[in-house]
Amino acid sequence: DAKTTQPNSMESNEEEPVHLPCNHSTISGTDYIHWYRQLPSQGPEYVIHGLTSNVNNRMASLAIAEDRKSSTLILHRATLRDAAVYYCILRSGGSNYKLTFGKGTLLTVNP
Amino acid sequence: ETGVTQSPTHLIKTRGQQVTLRCSSQSGHNTVSWYQQALGQGPQFIFQYYREEENGRGNFPPRFSGLQFPNYSSELNVNALELDDSALYLCASSRWGGAAYEQYFGPGTRLTVT
Repeated sequence: DAKTTQPNSMESNEEEPVHLPCNHSTISGTDYIHWYRQLPSQGPEYVIHGLTSNVNNRMASLAIAEDRKSSTLILHRATLRDAAVYYCILRSGGSNYKLTFGKGTLLTVNP
Repeated sequence: ETGVTQSPTHLIKTRGQQVTLRCSSQSGHNTVSWYQQALGQGPQFIFQYYREEENGRGNFPPRFSGLQFPNYSSELNVNALELDDSALYLCASSRWGGAAYEQYFGPGTRLTVT
């Protein structure tokens, strides 16, 4: 499985934008970039995914570098409820099953 | 739409015993995956079931086994429990072949082995 690298932790202030980086220099052409988050005492929750183009949904935006070796998850206005561990995951387009989680980034949101 | 549910919420077992954990898929989903999450770590893939058959397996020994039923619910069985099996066990359901392949996770079962 291609590996991702994320900072162990980040801090943000409420109502400010947050940019969560992820490096994946060994990504292959068929790998999708997925982001999940895990709130305290809950199972992981799907946030967003993309292949080559930037993506937006109601939760967040995903900015993918042109060479696809890095990506950034953008929360436009952080709230206290966004405090969670955020996981950047590469999923092979040929694989229908497993998600390979790393340790993720622990995001703290200050009021 | 009912989400993924798991039972029980918490469980305490003794080393050497056997345990069965249960998962009900989200409505409309036909695929179930199981993950083990140790404290402070990300979830680790155990296996996946589709059409009542194991479809892929992570690096877990054979004493971890599972079942999927015709209604797409699933069980995870662990035999000969070891202390290192203490973890949060997560079930995730999905729709086979979906482009996004979103997995919807349940809240987990916290297993403690003493």
